[in-house]
Amino acid sequence: SQELEQSPQSLIVQEGKNLTINCTSSKTLYGLYWYKQKYGEGLIFLMMLQKGGEEKSHEKITAKLDEKKQQSSLHITASQPSHAGIYLCGADIVYTGTASKLTFGTGTRLQVTL
Amino acid sequence: GAGVSQSPSNKVTEKGKDVELRCDPISGHTALYWYRQSLGQGLEFLIYFQGNSAPDKSGLPSDRFSAERTGGSVSTLTIQRTQQEDSAVYLCASSLLSGADTQYFGPGTRLTVL
Repeated sequence: SQELEQSPQSLIVQEGKNLTINCTSSKTLYGLYWYKQKYGEGLIFLMMLQKGGEEKSHEKITAKLDEKKQQSSLHITASQPSHAGIYLCGADIVYTGTASKLTFGTGTRLQVTL
Repeated sequence: GAGVSQSPSNKVTEKGKDVELRCDPISGHTALYWYRQSLGQGLEFLIYFQGNSAPDKSGLPSDRFSAERTGGSVSTLTIQRTQQEDSAVYLCASSLLSGADTQYFGPGTRLTVL
């Protein structure tokens, strides 16, 4: 089974609509990263969350990490075609005190229609 | 400034051949990571380098896979006797420090084994 579950797997929204993507783990998340990927490109870093209850925003994207640090959500307000792509959550699920060996979710494919 | 670069961007090889994939991390970044992204497995950690420490090879799928990082900068991932199941996108990332520090990804190398 996947250690990091993302939902939904795919999403089609009309331009201007809001949407939420979830990332859930059965283990504590010691660092939670959200990335966006477009076909043929690498991962573009969006946000990093570390503390339980933490919330960060950048432009129209807001990410939250719940108090128990086992679930994160990514919320996009007033979606635009430029938001289309695959959203991946990655996390430290084994605390080592050194490097971050990230485990990734399976991704959420977002399409934004006009 | 320059991001993480990888070469080649695409590589097609025949089963049984050896391949070398190159990664140039962001200048000054001490940590370097290799991941593999395939349709069936998603994004998986392969190996991690931090400074002069011994690399963490725990994600390498078999002894046909090896990696080096020369002079604390450029890294090469080598796959010997390639198999069709090695076909995937190989992504490299680097971070300034170890620990919970943001990993910045390169565009990847798409490997196809015929």
